[in-house]
Amino acid sequence: NAGVTQTPKFRVLKTGQSMTLLCAQDMNHEYMYWYRQDPGMGLRLIHYSVGEGTTAKGEVPDGYNVSRLKKQNFLLGLESAAPSQTSVYFCASSSTLSGRAGETQYFGPGTRLLVL
Amino acid sequence: GENVEQHPSTLSVQEGDSAVIKCTYSDSASNYFPWYKQELGKRPQLIIDIRSNVGEKKDQRIAVTLNKTAKHFSLHITETQPEDSAVYFCAASRSSGSARQLTFGSGTQLTVLP
Repeated sequence: NAGVTQTPKFRVLKTGQSMTLLCAQDMNHEYMYWYRQDPGMGLRLIHYSVGEGTTAKGEVPDGYNVSRLKKQNFLLGLESAAPSQTSVYFCASSSTLSGRAGETQYFGPGTRLLVL
Repeated sequence: GENVEQHPSTLSVQEGDSAVIKCTYSDSASNYFPWYKQELGKRPQLIIDIRSNVGEKKDQRIAVTLNKTAKHFSLHITETQPEDSAVYFCAASRSSGSARQLTFGSGTQLTVLP
């Protein structure tokens, strides 16, 4: 199993450009999440999904959109990138099992985004 | 919403010594408290977690304690080794019957000096 994968690994954008970050998981997890990580601020939840076709806002959703058309994929879109969106983006997934098996979030390797 | 504060932001210890990282949370309904370790350039990985019905949990050299009354929890690493050097994040969440929305602390950079 590859676990959680993310593409691309690194991207440079100019202000106003758009892009989509792809997250894929092969663990058959129901729940998927997008976080951003900025220096000194930990990880902050952008959007999450509880299943195919459903998404919800997290702590910092402004400027981002998401889609979950397939259970294994969770896409994060930036319609008009801004320098404030320069960050490292992590995707995570978790299952619906009870107990620790369901609560552990497995993270992808991250996407480093620089907006000039 | 939930607010998690983590201290210290940096911590240096000698190899073999113990390290303690502390977090406080604001939402009394939070009931799940994981700790993640992130090595430089890598993804965060869960190292230990605790639920609100338990006061302490131990896994080899790592332990976590929870004080629900004071709304704080701590990570204890004993007999530290150079490979323990990393950034450690605490988090808190409440059960919503759905996906867990974790609120993370700002992280602690632990350096274990040989």
